[in-house]
Amino acid sequence: QQQVKQSPQSLIVQKGGIPIINCAYENTAFDYFPWYQQFPGKGPALLIAIRPDVSEKKEGRFTISFNKSAKQFSLHIMDSQPGDSATYFCAASRSGSARQLTFGSGTQLTVLP
Amino acid sequence: KAGVTQTPRYLIKTRGQQVTLSCSPISGHRSVSWYQQTPGQGLQFLFEYFSETQRNKGNFPGRFSGRQFSNSRSEMNVSTLELGDSALYLCASSLGGGGGPLGEAFFGQGTRLTVV
Repeated sequence: QQQVKQSPQSLIVQKGGIPIINCAYENTAFDYFPWYQQFPGKGPALLIAIRPDVSEKKEGRFTISFNKSAKQFSLHIMDSQPGDSATYFCAASRSGSARQLTFGSGTQLTVLP
Repeated sequence: KAGVTQTPRYLIKTRGQQVTLSCSPISGHRSVSWYQQTPGQGLQFLFEYFSETQRNKGNFPGRFSGRQFSNSRSEMNVSTLELGDSALYLCASSLGGGGGPLGEAFFGQGTRLTVV
């Protein structure tokens, strides 16, 4: 019940495209859902996070869509750029904070110029 | 504002040895969490410290331990190293409050541990 399932494992899009990464969770006690971006040799960097009281959140080119009834959430990257090429992780935790994150398996995104 | 600092960045140890990794959180942050990242298992939660007390623990053997000091700096220790302990060890800091925007966690660059 602690798993977070992430798909796809890898994704290739053209510059300007809108890659979509999906995550599903089982534990209904999860109430905080962040997305992290990781470049090779670096630690994960927080991109955007959502709590289940809203269905969508936008920050710059990044949007999270959240479907509480389906226990799914997704990341959309608008107008993707080659610099967005990285590994993206979804995560979830309880008690509304990032104290103990359960991570998805990651999506390697490549944005072609 | 300085970010999360982890030292050392790289470490090579021999099987059976022990190792200590250090993490300095963002100034003002009181919660420090540790994660192990491997290609096979991904990112896995090890433990979390807040105000010098372990608040949560993941599913790792007792060879993995940690502590937090009064200045919120944290160390993790792995004893009797095994080849499978080779991984990137990441530290994340947060304010440590409950929910709301105080909950975000920020990661350091990690310590790459290689066990030979």
